[in-house]
Amino acid sequence: GDSVTQMEGPVTLSEEAFLTINCTYTATGYPSLFWYVQYPGEGLQLLLKATKADDKGSNKGFEATYRKETTSFHLEKGSVQVSDSAVYFCALINTGGFKTIFGAGTRLFVKA
Amino acid sequence: NAGVTQTPKFRVLKTGQSMTLLCAQDMNHEYMYWYRQDPGMGLRLIHYSVGEGTTAKGEVPDGYNVSRLKKQNFLLGLESAAPSQTSVYFCASSGGQSSYNEQFFGPGTRLTVL
Repeated sequence: GDSVTQMEGPVTLSEEAFLTINCTYTATGYPSLFWYVQYPGEGLQLLLKATKADDKGSNKGFEATYRKETTSFHLEKGSVQVSDSAVYFCALINTGGFKTIFGAGTRLFVKA
Repeated sequence: NAGVTQTPKFRVLKTGQSMTLLCAQDMNHEYMYWYRQDPGMGLRLIHYSVGEGTTAKGEVPDGYNVSRLKKQNFLLGLESAAPSQTSVYFCASSGGQSSYNEQFFGPGTRLTVL
């Protein structure tokens, strides 16, 4: 079945460091890919998405590119802030589907 | 536009007690979901609904029941709570048939079963 694998955390960075959180997926068909973010004490919220190969999703300085050849959707940010400390979930929905398949989540700590 | 709301926000139960968690959405979404989130376990789907009057089992349905009598509401029931049901519960909703159906989440209910 469809699945999402993301790097284990926690990831600890200093402020202004470069961030990469790896995500790879297994799916039949042509899924849409998502990154969700969960701030402490809150529910998940959509950070960015990409619906077809080579699309780049971006929001709040975060970017991820849909790479079909490597089945990846890695999250990147050039300069993290303390306020980016959160749990990040990679996810997919397969073509014609509605249920979201979530990765296990990666916790990010950013130190001042 | 409140999005997805959940009540209550916190609850403490004794083993064997029952309770109902209420989820409401005002986005006219067809699909609604209940998840539980435990430390180190990510999100696990309990039950979901594809429309008013329908429900279906997810990944971890045992010990829970759900109802979707109105399109905007999705109720999660625990008939006889157990300590293993201590968790944070999230409700989510999403729109109609589309290949990029983002989910909208509520703020969560933190449940402790003693």
